Amino acid sequence: SYVLTQPPSVSVAPGKTARITCGGNNIGSKSVHWYQQKPGQAPVLVIYYDSDRPSGIPERFSGSNSGNTATLTISRVEAGDEADYYCQVWDSSSDLHWVFGGGTKLTVL
Amino acid sequence: EVQLVQSGAEVKKPGESLKISCKGSGYSFTSYWIGWVRQMPGKGLEWMGIIYPGDSDTRYSPSFQGQVTISADKSISTAYLQWSSLKASDTAMYYCARRNTAIDYWGQGTLVTVSS
Repeated sequence: SYVLTQPPSVSVAPGKTARITCGGNNIGSKSVHWYQQKPGQAPVLVIYYDSDRPSGIPERFSGSNSGNTATLTISRVEAGDEADYYCQVWDSSSDLHWVFGGGTKLTVL
Repeated sequence: EVQLVQSGAEVKKPGESLKISCKGSGYSFTSYWIGWVRQMPGKGLEWMGIIYPGDSDTRYSPSFQGQVTISADKSISTAYLQWSSLKASDTAMYYCARRNTAIDYWGQGTLVTVSS
């Protein structure tokens, strides 16, 4: 099945830009979705279809996808952005199967 | 308002059976796939399987096929995840979630603890 690879951790100072990558074979041909999970809470969708934001998600969150890497970018990082972030696609073998990346812990220094 | 409300935390012994639930409201329950996701303590998200409540079409992740059963009762807008014989390694948080263009709504999670 399809594999998504994320860095385990990313650290960034407040006010700076965080970039979290998600690698996969020709991932640029797929639609990538991103979820934020804070401790003790359920995941929340922050980016869908590579770069679209659900209502209520700040414009500071953006996404891109090309080649073998998708990227979630968080601009002007705030302390409240500290969380685990997961990328997700629908599996190549079956559009009904869900595939998650291993997750990236974003630490705000 | 779309909501997925899951049943409460469970503490079970190895070998016991369990069925947890996920009740949808605020939308047409029969028109969207509902999936189940496992999160073991301190670990990432793992997709277990998915059901279409409209006709109960069900698919499983190969990792969970034969280990759990997913079902739904559309008359009460509720999906279920069940085990016939729990193991200590089933200790985890379990989430139900709705598939739309992405996974747009999640339940609050059900913590299952299996310990002798």
